[in-house]
Amino acid sequence: GDSVTQMEGPVTLSEEAFLTINCTYTATGYPSLFWYVQYPGEGLQLLLKATKADDKGSNKGFEATYRKETTSFHLEKGSVQVSDSAVYFCALQSNSGYALNFGKGTSLLVTP
Amino acid sequence: DAGITQSPRHKVTETGTPVTLRCHQTENHRYMYWYRQDPGHGLRLIHYSYGVKDTDKGEVSDGYSVSRSKTEDFLLTLESATSSQTSVYFCAISDPGQGADTQYFGPGTRLTVL
Repeated sequence: GDSVTQMEGPVTLSEEAFLTINCTYTATGYPSLFWYVQYPGEGLQLLLKATKADDKGSNKGFEATYRKETTSFHLEKGSVQVSDSAVYFCALQSNSGYALNFGKGTSLLVTP
Repeated sequence: DAGITQSPRHKVTETGTPVTLRCHQTENHRYMYWYRQDPGHGLRLIHYSYGVKDTDKGEVSDGYSVSRSKTEDFLLTLESATSSQTSVYFCAISDPGQGADTQYFGPGTRLTVL
């Protein structure tokens, strides 16, 4: 079945460092891919998405490119801020349904 | 922010008691979902609804039932709560028919079963 694998955390970075959170997926067909962010004590918020191969999603300085050849959707940001500290979830939506299949989440802590 | 509320936000109950969690939306979205979030598991789908009175099971549906009698409300019931159902429960909504395949999440309900 469909599945998402993302890198284990926690990830600790200094402010202004470069961020990469790896995400790979297994799915049949052409799923849509998402990154959600969860700040402490809150629900999940959509960060960005991509619906077809080679699409790049971007928002708030974060980017991710849908790579079908490597079945990946890695999240990147050039310069992280303390306010980016949160848990990040990669998710997949198959083209045969609407529910999301989530990775386990990666906790990010950015220190001043 | 999408208009999604969940109630209660926190609940402590005892094993064997019935519990009902409510999700309410003001967006008139057709699809509604219940997920649970547990450490090391991410979010897992419990049940979802694709219209009034239309529901289906998700990955971890055992021990849970749902009902949707109005577009705006989606109820999750634990018929007889167990300690393994201690979790944070999230409701989500979407409406692919409006071109909005993105899911929007509520603030969550933290349930503790003693």
